[in-house]
Amino acid sequence: GENVEQHPSTLSVQEGDSAVIKCTYSDSASNYFPWYKQELGKRPQLIIDIRSNVGEKKDQRIAVTLNKTAKHFSLHITETQPEDSAVYFCAAPKAAGNKLTFGGGTRVLVKP
Amino acid sequence: EAQVTQNPRYLITVTGKKLTVTCSQNMNHEYMSWYRQDPGLGLRQIYYSMNVEVTDKGDVPEGYKVSRKEKRNFPLILESPSPNQTSLYFCASSWDRARNTEAFFGQGTRLTVV
Repeated sequence: GENVEQHPSTLSVQEGDSAVIKCTYSDSASNYFPWYKQELGKRPQLIIDIRSNVGEKKDQRIAVTLNKTAKHFSLHITETQPEDSAVYFCAAPKAAGNKLTFGGGTRVLVKP
Repeated sequence: EAQVTQNPRYLITVTGKKLTVTCSQNMNHEYMSWYRQDPGLGLRQIYYSMNVEVTDKGDVPEGYKVSRKEKRNFPLILESPSPNQTSLYFCASSWDRARNTEAFFGQGTRLTVV
């Protein structure tokens, strides 16, 4: 099945700096890669996703890059703000089935 | 308002006492699933359903049952809960198969089994 590894597990950055979270996946046929943000005590919510026919997607201060050859994708947050503090999850589907596998999560702390 | 609703939000129960956590979505989504979230382990899929009367095991199905008699509802059943099922549970739904579309999550159910 699909195996998704996420690094780092925790990330502390100074407000205004950039944060980068990386995920690797095992199923080379996977074609959809979402990122979810979970604030403390709340449900995960989609913040950005990318499909395998593009290499990069950007939405204001967040961007996702995909390297299909190396089977990894990354979340980039620029000009971080305190409200970016949360747990972030990447995910990848098992291409031949219907299961969505999540990475272990990254706890991001933005220090003012 | 489009949403996924879980009940209850919090539940404390005793070992062996059957319980059901309900999940309902109003978006006419075909795909629904249950996850448990434990510290350091992320979100692990318990069961999923592609449509009415179609369910399948996720990565950690032991000790759980589900049913999908109607499109909007996908209850999670613990026939004989044990302390290792103490966790935060999330229900989620998607328009289509999980591999291609956004998953909408319920508010979560924090379960404690003593």
